[in-house]
Amino acid sequence: SYVLTQPPSVSVAPGQTARITCGGNNIGSRSVHWYQQKPGQAPVLVVYDDSDRPSGIPERFSGSNSGNTATLTISRVEAGDEADYYCQVWDSSSELWVFGGGTKLTVL
Amino acid sequence: QVQLVQSGAEVKKPGASVKVSCKASGYTFSGNSMHWVRRAPGQGLEWMGWIDPNSGGTNSAQKFQGRVTMTRDTSISTAYMELTRLRSDDTAVYYCARDGSGSWFGYWGQGTLVTVSS
Repeated sequence: SYVLTQPPSVSVAPGQTARITCGGNNIGSRSVHWYQQKPGQAPVLVVYDDSDRPSGIPERFSGSNSGNTATLTISRVEAGDEADYYCQVWDSSSELWVFGGGTKLTVL
Repeated sequence: QVQLVQSGAEVKKPGASVKVSCKASGYTFSGNSMHWVRRAPGQGLEWMGWIDPNSGGTNSAQKFQGRVTMTRDTSISTAYMELTRLRSDDTAVYYCARDGSGSWFGYWGQGTLVTVSS
C-alpha cells in the first residue's frame, strides 16, 4: 500500500514560516490534501488538490507538490496555528485513502 | 449548511461490538461518499473505510476487513460504522467524514469516543 512520510515535529517562532513535508513515491503525480487538527477538535481541511484553499482558510496557508515531496507552508505563523497537521492522498491502485503519520507544529 | 452529527461516547468490554452513527443534513445524503476515520491516543489519523450511500457499496482498509461493517439508512440520512471483536487498541475517537468533489474530506463529524476496557 502507498505510504506517506511526515516529520513527527516542526518548531517555528511566531512570525516565521513553517514548512511541513509529506514524502511519497512519485507523490507529485497525485493530489495531496492537508488537514489541521487541534486538541479535542475534529480535523479541518486547510489545503486540497495540492495548493487550493477552502473558503475561510487564511492565505497564509499554501501548498506545493512535486517529485517525491509535497509541502504545506504556513507563513507568518501565529500561536493559534499550533496543531497536528496531516497530509492525505487517494491511492488509485488500491482504491484506498491514506493519511501521513502527522506532524506536530509547535510555535515557540 | 452541511452538518454531520455523531452518536455519543461508548464504553465497551474487549470482545464486544460498537455501532457509531453519523446523521447528515444540509445536502443530498446519497450524493457524496461517507468515510470513517479514527484517531487513537498518541496516534495519527487512520482511514478505516467508506460507503457509497447511493448504492450501499463499501470498501475498507485491509487492517479492518472482517471486523468493520459500514451501512446506511437513506430514509434518515444516517451512516453507521460497526466494529466487532473490540480490543483495547481500538480505543479511539471515531469520525465520519464526507468527501468533497474530489478525494478530500471537506466535512467532519464531531467525533465519537469509544473506550474499550475490561
